[in-house]
Amino acid sequence: DGGITQSPKYLFRKEGQNVTLSCEQNLNHDAMYWYRQDPGQGLRLIYYSQIVNDFQKGDIAEGYSVSREKKESFPLTVTSAQKNPTAFYLCASSIVGLAGTMGEQYFGPGTRLTVT
Amino acid sequence: KNQVEQSPQSLIILEGKNCTLQCNYTVSPFSNLRWYKQDTGRGPVSLTIMTFSENTKSNGRYTATLDADTKQSSLHITASQLSDSASYICVVSPKEIYSGGYQKVTFGIGTKLQVIP
Repeated sequence: DGGITQSPKYLFRKEGQNVTLSCEQNLNHDAMYWYRQDPGQGLRLIYYSQIVNDFQKGDIAEGYSVSREKKESFPLTVTSAQKNPTAFYLCASSIVGLAGTMGEQYFGPGTRLTVT
Repeated sequence: KNQVEQSPQSLIILEGKNCTLQCNYTVSPFSNLRWYKQDTGRGPVSLTIMTFSENTKSNGRYTATLDADTKQSSLHITASQLSDSASYICVVSPKEIYSGGYQKVTFGIGTKLQVIP
């Protein structure tokens, strides 16, 4: 069953704790992305990675960190520095086309993080 | 600033009826436009992708149109079904590639469609 998986589906944490969200893909895609989705807003890019051991900040990277040690995996850590971490987090992957163009993004099922 | 605006924000229709969702964008120069369907609590799934030169593209009961001159796209759903209840998101990609190799796409907020029996 090919695709992109995220775990867990629901995550609850106390304020001040770091938490890591998992994202795995077996589509052999080079690029992976993390987005945050809040009610009334479009998806916002947190981090992206086009190649192993390299990643770039997106529009709202503050309070988040990532790693890309394997092509298949792109975990996201929500740190205690993130002021408003409660949200729906989506991971995506895509091929990297000619001249760096982005192929179709395939999204995971998402992780809903609640911090109290 | 690149923007994607979708309308209406929400829509309720009777099962079997047709509906049209709108997407206006300011992204320029433009590369392609995608429509995604997102069920509640799930990740978005691609419905169609249209490039600058395409005017219409169909995927079953979904038909997307594009007017690159007016920077408008629409998604028409024919003979709606209860399973069409979802948010529909318009996503626009620019032509330029930013440093770091990222083609910065812009997501609309989405239109929440509810199909009732």
